[in-house]
Amino acid sequence: QKEVEQDPGPLSVPEGAIVSLNCTYSNSAFQYFMWYRQYSRKGPELLMYTYSSGNKEDGRFTAQVDKSSKYISLFIRDSQPSDSATYLCAMSQASGTYKYIFGTGTRLKVLA
Amino acid sequence: EAGVTQSPTHLIKTRGQQATLRCSPISGHTSVYWYQQALGLGLQFLLWYDEGEERNRGNFPPRFSGRQFPNYSSELNVNALELEDSALYLCASTSTGEGYGYTFGSGTRLTVV
Repeated sequence: QKEVEQDPGPLSVPEGAIVSLNCTYSNSAFQYFMWYRQYSRKGPELLMYTYSSGNKEDGRFTAQVDKSSKYISLFIRDSQPSDSATYLCAMSQASGTYKYIFGTGTRLKVLA
Repeated sequence: EAGVTQSPTHLIKTRGQQATLRCSPISGHTSVYWYQQALGLGLQFLLWYDEGEERNRGNFPPRFSGRQFPNYSSELNVNALELEDSALYLCASTSTGEGYGYTFGSGTRLTVV
């Protein structure tokens, strides 16, 4: 069993839809949870960074962490064609300098 | 502020050869991480350097090695290249107390033929 599982998609939605992206994990020691966005032929860029359980909102993006279920989500409201990318979840046992474990990524396509 | 820079952008090598990939972290960042992103496999952790020392390595054979220089830049070496080493190699950096996630470079695409 992989430490982090993520549905690879692809996920196609119409412009303006609410998108839900999810990851599950098995290591209860994970405390820090990140979402990265990766455009084709580019390196991943950090979207959201959360610690422990709870919600965090940033503009159209909301990250949720449920440690009891070992489940994290990223919601994108009012999705735009520019949101079309691969979204990767990542997790770590510690903050700052530490290795992250990544999901395989979900490919999202927002149709105009 | 310059981001994480990687060179070369693309690299084509023949099976059995050696490849050297380079990474310059963001100024002030002391930790450098290397990840391999092969098609369908996501980002696989390769190596972590901090303050010039190797702190951790992923589940890769010893022919994957590297080092970190006094200026915190880093080099990844892959010896005896195999076809399955073809992938995007990503470098990321962060710093103690940063706590806000890695910053990635754009990667080096290595193709082994």
